[in-house]
Amino acid sequence: GAGVSQTPSNKVTEKGKYVELRCDPISGHTALYWYRQSLGQGPEFLIYFQGTGAADDSGLPNDRFFAVRPEGSVSTLKIQRTERGDSAVYLCASSLQAGWLTDTQYFGPGTRLTVL
Amino acid sequence: AQTVTQSQPEMSVQEAETVTLSCTYDTSESNYYLFWYKQPPSRQMILVIRQEAYKQQNATENRFSVNFQKAAKSFSLKISDSQLGDTAMYFCAFMKHENTGKLIFGQGTTLQVKP
Repeated sequence: GAGVSQTPSNKVTEKGKYVELRCDPISGHTALYWYRQSLGQGPEFLIYFQGTGAADDSGLPNDRFFAVRPEGSVSTLKIQRTERGDSAVYLCASSLQAGWLTDTQYFGPGTRLTVL
Repeated sequence: AQTVTQSQPEMSVQEAETVTLSCTYDTSESNYYLFWYKQPPSRQMILVIRQEAYKQQNATENRFSVNFQKAAKSFSLKISDSQLGDTAMYFCAFMKHENTGKLIFGQGTTLQVKP
């Protein structure tokens, strides 16, 4: 596809369950970012990958959150023992390289996670 | 730590008129980048305009321009000839001059363009 895609678009789960959110970046983009956007707020950085490795995971709120990008393309954000406070829109973005001003971050449409 | 503040939660403007959205930020960095992103109801964030802090000239992209005041740590967005399609949430964002690409966003301003 031409843009960043994220699946599912909506996810409803129960407190305590495990969820996986998937991000397909633009083909050829080596940098991938995850952000979390709570209702009425701006996105907050969670983690970014350069290739397969997590170069900065300083935004992950706790050890229930984990992300992988095993082949340097698709990434999965994993949340264990979900809590109601995890409810938010999870945004993924990709760019050709990380940190170069000329490399715009292209965002996907997000996954809206609702924890009941 | 860097912070970005947008003090206008909501704004409205008549079609074809001009509107200015405010943004202030706090940082001890001397070199950094600033951005305005647009988020329509589809949720997909779209880059509107960007500014390098070391450049004194204000960035311009068609109907969008910025007023960058480095000493005041202010970065406002001016939208000229507003169009109905400009209706969206607008976010100001900051990025340090290092090789991470990590964006720090403000709280956003909802802009409604009225016919």
